[in-house]
Amino acid sequence: AQRVTQPEKLLSVFKGAPVELKCNYSYSGSPELFWYVQYSRQRLQLLLRHISRESIKGFTADLNKGETSFHLKKPFAQEEDSAMYYCALSIDYKLSFGAGTTVTVRA
Amino acid sequence: DTGVSQDPRHKITKRGQNVTFRCDPISEHNRLYWYRQTLGQGPEFLTYFQNEAQLEKSRLLSDRFSAERPKGSFSTLEIQRTEQGDSAMYLCASSASPTFFGPGTRLTVL
Repeated sequence: AQRVTQPEKLLSVFKGAPVELKCNYSYSGSPELFWYVQYSRQRLQLLLRHISRESIKGFTADLNKGETSFHLKKPFAQEEDSAMYYCALSIDYKLSFGAGTTVTVRA
Repeated sequence: DTGVSQDPRHKITKRGQNVTFRCDPISEHNRLYWYRQTLGQGPEFLTYFQNEAQLEKSRLLSDRFSAERPKGSFSTLEIQRTEQGDSAMYLCASSASPTFFGPGTRLTVL
Protein backbone atom coordinates (compact mmCIF):
# COMPACT_ATOMS: atom_id res chain seq x y z
CA ALA A 1 0.00 0.00 0.00
CA GLN A 2 1.29 3.45 -0.93
CA ARG A 3 2.12 5.15 2.32
CA VAL A 4 3.46 8.43 0.92
CA THR A 5 1.76 10.40 -1.82
CA GLN A 6 3.23 13.32 -3.70
CA PRO A 7 0.44 14.44 -6.00
CA GLU A 8 2.54 16.70 -8.22
CA LYS A 9 5.04 15.08 -10.58
CA LEU A 10 6.21 18.42 -11.94
CA LEU A 11 6.21 21.90 -10.47
CA SER A 12 7.40 24.98 -12.32
CA VAL A 13 7.75 28.35 -10.61
CA PHE A 14 9.43 31.66 -11.34
CA LYS A 15 12.43 32.82 -9.36
CA GLY A 16 11.30 34.75 -6.31
CA ALA A 17 7.86 33.14 -6.23
CA PRO A 18 6.71 30.92 -3.36
CA VAL A 19 6.87 27.18 -3.83
CA GLU A 20 4.96 24.45 -2.00
CA LEU A 21 5.45 20.73 -2.52
CA LYS A 22 2.66 18.56 -1.21
CA CYS A 23 3.15 15.34 0.70
CA ASN A 24 0.46 13.20 2.30
CA TYR A 25 1.12 10.06 4.29
CA SER A 26 -0.82 7.08 5.55
CA TYR A 27 0.27 5.77 8.93
CA SER A 28 -1.65 5.18 12.13
CA GLY A 29 1.33 5.47 14.47
CA SER A 30 3.50 8.42 15.37
CA PRO A 31 5.12 9.40 12.05
CA GLU A 32 8.73 10.32 11.44
CA LEU A 33 8.89 12.28 8.20
CA PHE A 34 11.68 13.57 6.00
CA TRP A 35 12.25 15.52 2.83
CA TYR A 36 15.13 14.41 0.62
CA VAL A 37 16.44 16.33 -2.38
CA GLN A 38 18.40 15.18 -5.41
CA TYR A 39 20.16 17.83 -7.47
CA SER A 40 21.24 17.03 -11.01
CA ARG A 41 24.01 14.41 -11.06
CA GLN A 42 24.19 14.28 -7.27
CA ARG A 43 23.17 11.71 -4.71
CA LEU A 44 19.99 11.80 -2.69
CA GLN A 45 20.55 13.98 0.36
CA LEU A 46 18.56 14.84 3.44
CA LEU A 47 16.92 18.26 3.34
CA LEU A 48 14.65 18.28 6.40
CA ARG A 49 13.38 16.02 9.15
CA HIS A 50 10.22 16.99 10.97
CA ILE A 51 11.55 16.39 14.47
CA SER A 52 14.27 19.00 14.06
CA ARG A 53 11.76 21.74 13.13
CA GLU A 54 14.53 23.71 11.43
CA SER A 55 14.76 25.67 8.19
CA ILE A 56 17.29 24.46 5.66
CA LYS A 57 18.12 26.54 2.55
CA GLY A 58 15.00 28.57 3.31
CA PHE A 59 12.72 25.50 3.25
CA THR A 60 10.36 24.59 6.07
CA ALA A 61 7.92 21.74 6.51
CA ASP A 62 5.20 21.37 9.11
CA LEU A 63 3.69 18.09 10.16
CA ASN A 64 -0.11 18.26 10.21
CA LYS A 65 -1.34 15.07 11.85
CA GLY A 66 -4.99 15.99 11.31
CA GLU A 67 -4.53 16.25 7.55
CA THR A 68 -1.72 13.64 7.52
CA SER A 69 0.42 16.05 5.55
CA PHE A 70 4.02 17.22 5.57
CA HIS A 71 4.15 19.89 2.88
CA LEU A 72 7.46 21.57 1.99
CA LYS A 73 7.47 25.33 1.54
CA LYS A 74 9.83 28.10 0.56
CA PRO A 75 8.69 31.72 0.34
CA PHE A 76 11.09 32.80 -2.42
CA ALA A 77 12.33 30.15 -4.84
CA GLN A 78 15.85 30.36 -6.25
CA GLU A 79 17.20 28.83 -9.46
CA GLU A 80 19.45 26.54 -7.41
CA ASP A 81 16.32 24.97 -5.90
CA SER A 82 15.66 23.20 -9.20
CA ALA A 83 15.85 19.52 -8.26
CA MET A 84 13.90 16.36 -7.53
CA TYR A 85 12.26 16.32 -4.10
CA TYR A 86 11.13 13.20 -2.25
CA CYS A 87 8.99 12.96 0.85
CA ALA A 88 9.73 9.92 3.00
CA LEU A 89 8.13 8.22 6.00
CA SER A 90 10.21 6.15 8.40
CA ILE A 91 8.55 2.99 9.69
CA ASP A 92 10.51 0.40 11.69
CA TYR A 93 13.83 1.96 10.61
CA LYS A 94 12.92 1.77 6.92
CA LEU A 95 12.09 4.67 4.63
CA SER A 96 9.02 4.62 2.43
CA PHE A 97 9.30 7.24 -0.33
CA GLY A 98 6.81 9.11 -2.46
CA ALA A 99 7.24 9.15 -6.22
CA GLY A 100 8.91 12.55 -6.11
CA THR A 101 8.26 16.03 -7.47
CA THR A 102 10.52 17.65 -10.05
CA VAL A 103 10.85 21.36 -9.35
CA THR A 104 11.99 23.77 -12.04
CA VAL A 105 12.66 27.36 -11.06
CA ARG A 106 12.61 29.69 -14.06
CA ALA A 107 14.54 32.96 -14.20
CA ASP B 1 35.38 10.99 1.47
CA THR B 2 33.49 9.99 4.57
CA GLY B 3 30.15 9.35 2.86
CA VAL B 4 28.57 6.14 1.61
CA SER B 5 30.37 4.79 -1.44
CA GLN B 6 29.23 2.28 -4.05
CA ASP B 7 31.05 0.34 -6.73
CA PRO B 8 30.63 0.13 -9.65
CA ARG B 9 28.69 3.26 -10.56
CA HIS B 10 27.44 1.73 -13.78
CA LYS B 11 27.04 -1.86 -14.90
CA ILE B 12 25.83 -3.13 -18.24
CA THR B 13 25.24 -6.83 -18.50
CA LYS B 14 23.48 -9.34 -20.68
CA ARG B 15 20.36 -11.13 -19.57
CA GLY B 16 21.18 -14.26 -17.63
CA GLN B 17 24.52 -13.04 -16.27
CA ASN B 18 25.26 -12.57 -12.58
CA VAL B 19 26.26 -9.20 -11.16
CA THR B 20 27.58 -8.08 -7.79
CA PHE B 21 27.57 -4.61 -6.30
CA ARG B 22 29.52 -3.33 -3.34
CA CYS B 23 28.63 -0.72 -0.73
CA ASP B 24 30.88 0.85 1.88
CA PRO B 25 28.83 2.60 4.55
CA ILE B 26 29.77 5.46 6.84
CA SER B 27 32.08 3.73 9.28
CA GLU B 28 30.25 4.38 12.52
CA HIS B 29 26.81 3.46 11.13
CA ASN B 30 25.54 0.05 12.17
CA ARG B 31 22.49 -0.06 9.90
CA LEU B 32 22.96 -0.57 6.18
CA TYR B 33 20.19 -0.57 3.56
CA TRP B 34 19.68 -1.47 -0.07
CA TYR B 35 17.01 0.32 -2.10
CA ARG B 36 16.04 0.11 -5.75
CA GLN B 37 14.87 3.03 -7.83
CA THR B 38 13.26 2.87 -11.26
CA LEU B 39 12.45 5.76 -13.58
CA GLY B 40 9.76 8.04 -12.25
CA GLN B 41 9.59 6.37 -8.85
CA GLY B 42 11.04 6.99 -5.45
CA PRO B 43 13.48 4.51 -3.94
CA GLU B 44 11.93 1.21 -2.79
CA PHE B 45 13.27 -0.73 0.18
CA LEU B 46 14.93 -4.07 -0.58
CA THR B 47 16.73 -5.18 2.58
CA TYR B 48 18.65 -3.99 5.61
CA PHE B 49 21.32 -5.08 8.04
CA GLN B 50 21.98 -4.26 11.65
CA ASN B 51 25.71 -4.90 11.89
CA GLU B 52 26.18 -8.27 10.14
CA ALA B 53 22.61 -9.51 10.68
CA GLN B 54 20.16 -9.20 7.80
CA LEU B 55 17.00 -8.20 9.65
CA GLU B 56 14.44 -7.74 6.91
CA LYS B 57 13.94 -8.47 3.22
CA SER B 58 11.25 -6.94 1.03
CA ARG B 59 8.98 -9.06 -1.13
CA LEU B 60 10.66 -7.22 -4.00
CA LEU B 61 13.79 -9.24 -3.27
CA SER B 62 13.28 -12.42 -5.27
CA ASP B 63 15.37 -15.53 -4.64
CA ARG B 64 17.73 -14.38 -7.40
CA PHE B 65 18.87 -11.57 -5.11
CA SER B 66 21.19 -12.07 -2.18
CA ALA B 67 22.86 -9.57 0.11
CA GLU B 68 25.61 -10.01 2.62
CA ARG B 69 27.41 -7.85 5.14
CA PRO B 70 30.32 -9.87 6.47
CA LYS B 71 31.79 -8.57 9.71
CA GLY B 72 29.26 -5.74 9.75
CA SER B 73 31.32 -3.52 7.48
CA PHE B 74 30.86 -3.34 3.70
CA SER B 75 27.94 -5.06 1.98
CA THR B 76 27.44 -6.82 -1.34
CA LEU B 77 24.28 -7.28 -3.36
CA GLU B 78 24.31 -10.07 -5.91
CA ILE B 79 21.74 -10.62 -8.62
CA GLN B 80 21.83 -14.00 -10.30
CA ARG B 81 20.44 -14.74 -13.77
CA THR B 82 19.66 -11.09 -14.43
CA GLU B 83 16.47 -10.14 -16.24
CA GLN B 84 15.63 -6.97 -18.14
CA GLY B 85 13.24 -6.02 -15.34
CA ASP B 86 16.22 -5.80 -12.98
CA SER B 87 17.42 -2.67 -14.79
CA ALA B 88 17.32 0.08 -12.18
CA MET B 89 19.42 2.25 -9.90
CA TYR B 90 20.50 0.31 -6.81
CA LEU B 91 21.06 2.58 -3.85
CA CYS B 92 22.92 1.77 -0.68
CA ALA B 93 22.35 3.78 2.47
CA SER B 94 23.60 3.74 6.01
CA SER B 95 22.05 5.17 9.11
CA ALA B 96 22.52 6.10 12.68
CA SER B 97 19.38 8.18 12.06
CA PRO B 98 19.04 9.99 9.74
CA THR B 99 19.80 7.93 6.66
CA PHE B 100 22.56 8.86 4.21
CA PHE B 101 22.62 7.55 0.66
CA GLY B 102 25.38 6.50 -1.67
CA PRO B 103 25.58 7.61 -5.31
CA GLY B 104 23.99 4.41 -6.57
CA THR B 105 24.88 1.73 -9.10
CA ARG B 106 22.96 1.98 -12.35
CA LEU B 107 22.31 -1.49 -13.77
CA THR B 108 21.31 -1.98 -17.38
CA VAL B 109 20.37 -5.50 -18.46
CA LEU B 110 20.38 -5.97 -22.22
